[in-house]
Amino acid sequence: GENVEQHPSTLSVQEGDSAVIKCTYSDSASNYFPWYKQELGKRPQLIIDIRSNVGEKKDQRIAVTLNKTAKHFSLHITETQPEDSAVYFCAASPNDYKLSFGAGTTVTVRA
Amino acid sequence: NAGVTQTPKFQVLKTGQSMTLQCAQDMNHEYMSWYRQDPGMGLRLIHYSVGAGITDQGEVPNGYNVSRSTTEDFPLRLLSAAPSQTSVYFCAMGTHRSSGSLYNEQFFGPGTRLTVL
Repeated sequence: GENVEQHPSTLSVQEGDSAVIKCTYSDSASNYFPWYKQELGKRPQLIIDIRSNVGEKKDQRIAVTLNKTAKHFSLHITETQPEDSAVYFCAASPNDYKLSFGAGTTVTVRA
Repeated sequence: NAGVTQTPKFQVLKTGQSMTLQCAQDMNHEYMSWYRQDPGMGLRLIHYSVGAGITDQGEVPNGYNVSRSTTEDFPLRLLSAAPSQTSVYFCAMGTHRSSGSLYNEQFFGPGTRLTVL
């Protein structure tokens, strides 16, 4: 099955700086890569996703890049704010339905 | 529309007890799934369904049963609870995009926190 590795497990950044989270996947058939944000005690919420026919996607301060050859994808958050503090999960889908998640990255934005 | 609802929010069981976690959606989405979330392990897929009458196993199906008799409901049954099943359980729904590229955007319910003593 698909195996997704996520790094780093924790990330502390100064407010206004950028944060980058990287994920690798094992199944070359994976074609859908969503990112979820989970605040403490809340449900995971989809923040951005990318398909395998696209190399980069941006939504305001959030961007995701995909390198199919190397089988890795990354989440970039620019101009971080305190409300960006949360756990972020990457995921990969080798078919239309199953999502395999990374272990998560706890992001702390220091004021 | 409420999206995805889950009941109960919290549950404590004794080892060997059985129970059903409820999940319901009012969006008429074909796809529903159950995940468990454990510290440091992300979310792991237990079972999923692509429509009424169709279910399949995910990554960690042992000890759990599901059924999908209607589009709206996708209950998860614990047959004989074990301490290893202590976790937070999330139900998710998704719709199959038909814009030429097949992928599944999934939305999660609020979760059920289960403790097995």
